[in-house]
Amino acid sequence: EAGVAQSPRYKIIEKRQSVAFWCNPISGHATLYWYQQILGQGPKLLIQFQNNGVVDDSQLPKDRFSAERLKGVDSTLKIQPAKLEDSAVYLCASSGQGYGYTFGSGTRLTVV
Amino acid sequence: QKEVEQDPGPLSVPEGAIVSLNCTYSNSAFQYFMWYRQYSRKGPELLMYTYSSGNKEDGRFTAQVDKSSKYISLFIRDSQPSDSATYLCATGGATNKLIFGTGTLLAVQP
Repeated sequence: EAGVAQSPRYKIIEKRQSVAFWCNPISGHATLYWYQQILGQGPKLLIQFQNNGVVDDSQLPKDRFSAERLKGVDSTLKIQPAKLEDSAVYLCASSGQGYGYTFGSGTRLTVV
Repeated sequence: QKEVEQDPGPLSVPEGAIVSLNCTYSNSAFQYFMWYRQYSRKGPELLMYTYSSGNKEDGRFTAQVDKSSKYISLFIRDSQPSDSATYLCATGGATNKLIFGTGTLLAVQP
């Protein structure tokens, strides 16, 4: 079974620029998650999709972050404009039945 | 109060030692309890998954949940240098949303 694919692996941008991350979940997994992991902290849920509908986006800073999941498969997470405090690893995960999350390797974002 | 509390460490032990990692949680509605292992520059990978109070064993790993005290533990027997990683506890309820602890950095010295 192929894992969760994310790209790019690394990104360095200046503050106020925009950036987008892409995620391809495990085939057949209906639920997709984006987590933010700041250095030294545990992952924090940004948004949860069930197929192509949003289940939970309560911790997504909607003034600058947006996410979509077209056709219930791939997903993109965008930040516009970026702030210094957005420097983190952005993890995508997917799950099928139950709580068996599978995470991708993440995108490490540095905002300078 | 954070929903899941975890001592960030770091924890350094000699090879072969028994390691005990612990978390507490605040929401009695949480039903699922997990431990993830995260190597440097990698995504977390699921180690153990339990649903109820009690123990669950898988090889050198034992997960323990005490719902009455809202306490979850992971024990690693005969620790190996390859076990060096960050260990994240996580818990969740009915919505499939997981809440993670901050992670404990473990170093097993050869």
